[in-house]
Amino acid sequence: GENVEQHPSTLSVQEGDSAVIKCTYSDSASNYFPWYKQELGKGPQLIIDIRSNVGEKKDQRIAVTLNKTAKHFSLHITETQPEDSAVYFCAATSGRGADGLTFGKGTHLIIQP
Amino acid sequence: SAVISQKPSRDICQRGTSLTIQCQVDSQVTMMFWYRQQPGQSLTLIATANQGSEATYESGFVIDKFPISRPNLTFSTLTVSNMSPEDSSIYLCSVHRGQATEAFFGQGTRLTVV
Repeated sequence: GENVEQHPSTLSVQEGDSAVIKCTYSDSASNYFPWYKQELGKGPQLIIDIRSNVGEKKDQRIAVTLNKTAKHFSLHITETQPEDSAVYFCAATSGRGADGLTFGKGTHLIIQP
Repeated sequence: SAVISQKPSRDICQRGTSLTIQCQVDSQVTMMFWYRQQPGQSLTLIATANQGSEATYESGFVIDKFPISRPNLTFSTLTVSNMSPEDSSIYLCSVHRGQATEAFFGQGTRLTVV
């Protein structure tokens, strides 16, 4: 089955700086890679996703890049703000709709004022 | 996005008892998924629930411990049976919207077993 590794487990950045979280996956059949933000006491919220036919996707301050050959994908947050503080999870799936997601272990992002 | 409501939002239960968690979606969906998130950990898929068929369980999860019902296309339940403190976790319901692969989550049920 799929295995997703995520690094770092904790990331502390100064407000206004950029944050990068990296994930690798093992199953070459995986073709859908979402990122979730989870705030304390809440369910995960989808913030951005990318499919295997695309190398990069951007949505305002958030971007995701995918390297299929190396089987890794990354989340980039620019101009970080205090409300970006949360736990971020990457995930992967074959995208057939019948498969659930395999999640990374999460990154606790701390934005220092 | 999909609106997913879970009940209860939290509960404290005695060991040896069972708890049924409900998941209601605001529109019909084919696939519903149940995940477990142990304290400070990531999400692990428990099972996939299709309407009209038996749920499909992931390795390490069995029907006797986590029976699932899927009576229609907008509703599912997960029961945590014969609970022990190790079952203390957040249990999350998730759906995919149509043929898209975007997955949406409920707010979760925080279960504490004492």
